[in-house]
Parts: sequence; structure tokens; C-alpha cells
Amino acid sequence: EAEVAQSPRYKITEKSQAVAFWCDPISGHATLYWYRQILGQGPELLVQFQDESVVDDSQLPKDRFSAERLKGVDSTLKIQPAELGDSAMYLCASSLPQGIEQFFGPGTRLTVL
Amino acid sequence: AQTVTQSQPEMSVQEAETVTLSCTYDTSESDYYLFWYKQPPSRQMILVIRQEAYKQQNATENRFSVNFQKAAKSFSLKISDSQLGDAAMYFCASTGGATNKLIFGTGTLLAVQP
Repeated sequence: EAEVAQSPRYKITEKSQAVAFWCDPISGHATLYWYRQILGQGPELLVQFQDESVVDDSQLPKDRFSAERLKGVDSTLKIQPAELGDSAMYLCASSLPQGIEQFFGPGTRLTVL
Repeated sequence: AQTVTQSQPEMSVQEAETVTLSCTYDTSESDYYLFWYKQPPSRQMILVIRQEAYKQQNATENRFSVNFQKAAKSFSLKISDSQLGDAAMYFCASTGGATNKLIFGTGTLLAVQP
């Protein structure tokens, strides 16, 4: 069964360092989402792509976060510099074009020390 | 702005019994979907059940069913014949608008007692 892949699964970094997360959506899924899930809260959308174009990045802290999906397939989310408050689970999800159901990857748990 | 509220941070149920998880939402959209997602410990989030707002009939998936009260903006999840594998965090979510992004509640942690 096709799944959304994410790496790394766990990342520990010190504040002010740069970190990057990678996501490979299910083949054929044109829509890709990055969510941030702070401990004890529900996921919150950071950025949404339709193919290689950003559809919604209204909640992305653009001074330190960036996201790209250059060829419209896999995607990278970067944080530079990382802050203590960035400690969270970063979830990637994908869906078919105009699809309603989103399929989630296992997430990357980031700890900033 | 759309909001989803889950007022039960934790719930517990005996194996084989029935439990209901509560969710309320607020949206200005006329066309939207509602979801229950399950997030087991250290595992990925999976869709449990979904409801199209325009459908009056409540969705059912095997042991999982919803009570959708559109006027009250309520969307509860009933789990029948609870199993140990049902233990997880459950998130209620809504979507709507052109982008179909999900708005999640804060989750309910369900424990199943043997």
C-alpha cells in the first residue's frame, strides 16, 4: 500500500542551527501539505502545495521557515535558525487533485535544545 | 475563522463497551467536510470516518459511526465494541473552502481498559 514517506523520523538540534525535513507523497498526489503539531495540540497547516506552486502559506513563519517542491513531487521544509519554540512534530500529508482525504506520513519529531 | 473544539482531553472505555467522543465546530462555509482521524502512539494519523455536510445520513464505518447535528454544529464519534487497538489520540477536523486544508481540534486521548 502506498504511503507518504518522511525523513528523518527524529531530529535533535540546538537553537540557531538549521534543520531540514523531507517528504515524499503518494505517487500521483498533486497536493502536498506540511502541518506542525505542538505537543498537546492538533496539527496546524504551515504550507500547502498544488504541484510545485504554493497555495497557502499564511501560517508559515517566513522569517525562518521555507518550503519548496521544485519538481512537484517531493518537498523539503527548512527552518533556519531553529528556536526552542519550534520543538514539535512536523507532519506531511498528500491528496489527489481536488481530493478530500489527506494521507499522512509518520512525521518528523523535532527537539530544539 | 473556522474552529474545531474537542472538550474531552481524555476518555476511557472498557473493552467491548461503547464510547462517544464529542466535537463541535464553527464554519462560515456552506460546503464542508468533517473527519475523525486516529493517531496511535508513534504511528501515523489515519482517517477513521468522514461526513459530507450536505448529507443528512450519518456516516458509518464498521464499528465507527458519527452523530452529525448540522444545526448544532456537532459531530460526535461513537465507537462500538471497543478493542484494545482503538487506544489512540482522536482528532476531529473540518475542511472547507477552495484549499481543503484541515482545521483540527486539540484531540481526545482514548484509553481502552482490558
